[in-house]
Amino acid sequence: EIVLTQSPGTLSLSPGERATLSCRASQSVSSSYLAWYQQKPGQAPRLLIYGASSRATGIPDRFSGSGSGTDFTLTISRLEPEDFAVYYCQQYGSSPRAFTFGPGTKVDIK
Amino acid sequence: QVQLQESGPGLVKPSQTLSLTCTVSGGSISSGDYYWSWIRQPPGKGLEWIGYIYYSGSTYYNPSLKSRVTISVDTSKNQFSLKLSSVTAADTAVYYCASGDYGDYLWRFDPWGQGTLVTVSS
Repeated sequence: EIVLTQSPGTLSLSPGERATLSCRASQSVSSSYLAWYQQKPGQAPRLLIYGASSRATGIPDRFSGSGSGTDFTLTISRLEPEDFAVYYCQQYGSSPRAFTFGPGTKVDIK
Repeated sequence: QVQLQESGPGLVKPSQTLSLTCTVSGGSISSGDYYWSWIRQPPGKGLEWIGYIYYSGSTYYNPSLKSRVTISVDTSKNQFSLKLSSVTAADTAVYYCASGDYGDYLWRFDPWGQGTLVTVSS
């Protein structure tokens, strides 16, 4: 099973700053099968990025995704107050066929 | 866009079977557009995919839960359901239903239901 590791565990930043979140896989992941989600307290996760770099409908362009193979990155170019949340990466693997999520990165206000 | 809503008991006794239903609105569960999925999140922890069902009835489960999970679909009610047997305290979690989308051969879960907390306790 592919294991996803996210770093850092917590990222303390101020509004207006740039956030760079990392997702590393234990083995190569198809870019087609890598997604990012945002979760705020008491809410369901919301899809941000799929296919490693495609923004979901309604997601502002300050959110961008990149990467390939085992290393993927979510970048928030300028943090807005509503962006302070937990971010999860997720992959689909074919052997065994399963979806797995990373442990999450919390972006909080410095 | 479709909307999903979970329903079911919030408290289940150890060793019993957890049963939840997800009602889909704004679209047909038989459209073939989605793989209807269950995902859970223990309090304060991360997300775990449980399994999915296609409208045709074909299913796929997380290998770590496979022996205890059954997901079924009722197209007449536009609902799909989760049963998890022999539950323990470790199964206490918020359970989400979600639409697994494989459009353009790109996997993602969107949208999600609001989630329902199920506590396993005597």
